[in-house]
Amino acid sequence: SQKIEQNSEALNIQEGKTATLTCNYTNYSPAYLQWYRQDPGRGPVFLLLIRENEKEKRKERLKVTFDTTLKQSLFHITASQPADSATYLCALVESSGSARQLTFGSGTQLTVLP
Amino acid sequence: DTAVSQTPKYLVTQMGNDKSIKCEQNLGHDTMYWYKQDSKKFLKIMFSYNNKELIINETVPNRFSPKSPDKAHLNLHINSLELGDSAVYFCASSTHYEQYFGPGTRLTVT
Repeated sequence: SQKIEQNSEALNIQEGKTATLTCNYTNYSPAYLQWYRQDPGRGPVFLLLIRENEKEKRKERLKVTFDTTLKQSLFHITASQPADSATYLCALVESSGSARQLTFGSGTQLTVLP
Repeated sequence: DTAVSQTPKYLVTQMGNDKSIKCEQNLGHDTMYWYKQDSKKFLKIMFSYNNKELIINETVPNRFSPKSPDKAHLNLHINSLELGDSAVYFCASSTHYEQYFGPGTRLTVT
């Protein structure tokens, strides 16, 4: 069966450290993968997109990697701050599916401790 | 200057009722979506719609129907509400790959 799994439901990290979140998928052939941030009571906000032929993408303190052999994406937040505390969702689009239909993982709730 | 807006923010209703949630986007996007987020925070696509194509997730009961009066609006109608329909419903829109989400509508069916 198809699955998208994010490493843990909750992750606590000390301020200033690098947070690493994992997204693993099974029985998908994603054309690209996206990461979103969701704060309580709000809708998800797009952060980064990485395509199947890209290994790494960066945006300010954020970095995403995509390994289609391992069927895994890693999402890094460097120099983490308490304001980075939120739920982070990975989402993928399959090569064979509708160009814009996203399938989401269940999310990882990140807490950055001061 | 809201990009994607939804009304109402909260909706409490009884089983068996029919209700609608409205969504509007002012981004000029050509595709709109409805998602359901359950109590475990799992976000699942229900519909995607543009002026050419409606794609329905096969697991969505036919009690749910999207209606689009124009390109900027995609409303969600739900007939004969059930307890299991209680969730947060998000509208979203896109023109390319990234999607822009509304603030959500928390539906509670009693």
